Amino acid sequence: EDQVTQSPEALRLQEGESSSLNCSYTVSGLRGLFWYRQDPGKGPEFLFTLYSAGEEKEKERLKATLTKKESFLHITAPKPEDSATYLCAVQAVSDYKLSFGAGTTVTVRA
Amino acid sequence: GAVVSQHPSRVICKSGTSVKIECRSLDFQATTMFWYRQFPKQSLMLMATSNEGSKATYEQGVEKDKFLINHASLTLSTLTVTSAHPEDSSFYICSARDRGNTIYFGEGSWLTVV
Repeated sequence: EDQVTQSPEALRLQEGESSSLNCSYTVSGLRGLFWYRQDPGKGPEFLFTLYSAGEEKEKERLKATLTKKESFLHITAPKPEDSATYLCAVQAVSDYKLSFGAGTTVTVRA
Repeated sequence: GAVVSQHPSRVICKSGTSVKIECRSLDFQATTMFWYRQFPKQSLMLMATSNEGSKATYEQGVEKDKFLINHASLTLSTLTVTSAHPEDSSFYICSARDRGNTIYFGEGSWLTVV
């Protein structure tokens, strides 16, 4: 069974204080690893998909990296508007559904 | 990015009645759509996967007769909660997969059963 573990559960940052979120996974053949951002009461917003170890993707202050066992989401010089829950999900080669981790809730204080 | 629209965003229904939630991919064709349920402060729980023109595949523990899913076209999937009860009150979210394997989520639908 696919497993996704995200850490930490919560992260409180000062504006400008860079940090990283971790997503550890076990899957029987990885098709893709997905990162989403979710604001309270809203559906998840797509950020990145990573497909192979060593791959990196960037969007504004966010950068996602992938190894064979984990993925990191780096937040560089965060702003209060980066406050959200960040969700990681894996997609196995056997089908297209996503298995989600519990998420990391990031709070950025001005 | 691509847009997935859900309707209604909020619905209140009486216990014992049925309610339908629509999920549309507005600017791409989605051969596969997914339905999730999310409880407060918890992650997304996959309910079922629907493929256009075929029966939905339900996750273990999800009642097929209670949560009816139809994927009649490449841009529309519907979830019908039949004989709703207060314990069915939740946040329901759909997602749609485009041909490039990007999976976009809708804004979600809040269901309250009174």
